[in-house]
Amino acid sequence: AQTVTQSQPEMSVQEAETVTLSCTYDTSESDYYLFWYKQPPSRQMILVIRQEAYKQQNATENRFSVNFQKAAKSFSLKISDSQLGDAAMYFCAYRSAFINDMRFGAGTRLTVKP
Amino acid sequence: EAQVTQNPRYLITVTGKKLTVTCSQNMNHEYMSWYRQDPGLGLRQIYYSMNVEVTDKGDVPEGYKVSRKEKRNFPLILESPSPNQTSLYFCASSFWGEGNQPQHFGDGTRLSIL
Repeated sequence: AQTVTQSQPEMSVQEAETVTLSCTYDTSESDYYLFWYKQPPSRQMILVIRQEAYKQQNATENRFSVNFQKAAKSFSLKISDSQLGDAAMYFCAYRSAFINDMRFGAGTRLTVKP
Repeated sequence: EAQVTQNPRYLITVTGKKLTVTCSQNMNHEYMSWYRQDPGLGLRQIYYSMNVEVTDKGDVPEGYKVSRKEKRNFPLILESPSPNQTSLYFCASSFWGEGNQPQHFGDGTRLSIL
């Protein structure tokens, strides 16, 4: 079964600085989708960014970008110009293209220091 | 407004007293799913449904039941709740077959079983 690992339970970053959150996954499939979700204290699950495995180009969404290394099965999230509102729990998620279930990592709690 | 609605948002109850958490979506999604979120474990899938009358077990189905009699509704039933089912629960939905489309999440239900 596919597994998703986030090796950093907690991270902190200074406001306006850049931080990278790590995610690795294990799969034997060639086609799949990867997501980063943000969960603020309100506990909503908010999609940050998505990446299709067949696309070589790394996804970007404003201050958020990913470094997708398919061979290494790595999918890290880079947050540039960190803002106080970025403080949240971040979950990496894997979704198979063949069966419609989603696997989540354990999460990384990001603190942003003013 | 497109949304997934869960009720109740909070519930404190006692061991053995049957309860139902409702989930409804207004986006005509085929796929619906239930997750539980526990510290250090991320979100784990309980059950999912690919369409009306089609349900299947996720990773942690023990102690839970679901039904999908209508496309928009996917209730989670705890027939005899136990303290180890104390958790934060999320319902999610998406279109089937479009793996790159994110799941839409409800706002979560905090269950405490005493």
